[in-house]
Amino acid sequence: DAGITQSPRHKVTETGTPVTLRCHQTENHRYMYWYRQDPGHGLRLIHYSYGVKDTDKGEVSDGYSVSRSKTEDFLLTLESATSSQTSVYFCATSWGREVTEAFFGQGTRLTVV
Amino acid sequence: DQQVKQNSPSLSVQEGRISILNCDYTNSMFDYFLWYKKYPAEGPTFLISISSIKDKNEDGRFTVFLNKSAKHLSLHIVPSQPGDSAVYFCAASGEGGSEKLVFGKGTKLTVNP
Repeated sequence: DAGITQSPRHKVTETGTPVTLRCHQTENHRYMYWYRQDPGHGLRLIHYSYGVKDTDKGEVSDGYSVSRSKTEDFLLTLESATSSQTSVYFCATSWGREVTEAFFGQGTRLTVV
Repeated sequence: DQQVKQNSPSLSVQEGRISILNCDYTNSMFDYFLWYKKYPAEGPTFLISISSIKDKNEDGRFTVFLNKSAKHLSLHIVPSQPGDSAVYFCAASGEGGSEKLVFGKGTKLTVNP
């Protein structure tokens, strides 16, 4: 257990509203990731961070933004939620270079109605 | 274009027999491969990994084989147990030195008593 906490664990929101999901880690891992899991698609990378204020896009980054102002926190923001963003979101962390096993949080189930 | 492919959505085996889960990748720049196991309503957990400089890694009942020329890896579970029933994800990293993890769509393994 790498001490990864996602909040909230469940959220229902309306189309067009902004939503922020939080990932907090206590292990001082350098790398942090946001994935979404959808039936038939597996785990798809949204954004990742390789250090404080250092972030990069994944394969499904449209409609999402991230911020990392502290090592321990990685925020995922949906600026204007759409129904296609209904999903289960997972945060993951890893030490980084040459140690790439990532540890995952419990997930956030987001429903956009 | 999917870089990590798990072409079997599901697999069913009898308890005590061998389970073989397969994974193919297209990007020759990947240099590290991992398997994750996921139970419903939980985050994925790391299972086993292999570096591209090796062709086999073993950890108890779990063995991962890597065939670089074929861009193929497999996970063998021997003997299979009912508690192994889960979704298994193959992942790869190292493209361009990146720690970004790219996942396949997953294979649901069911081990029947």
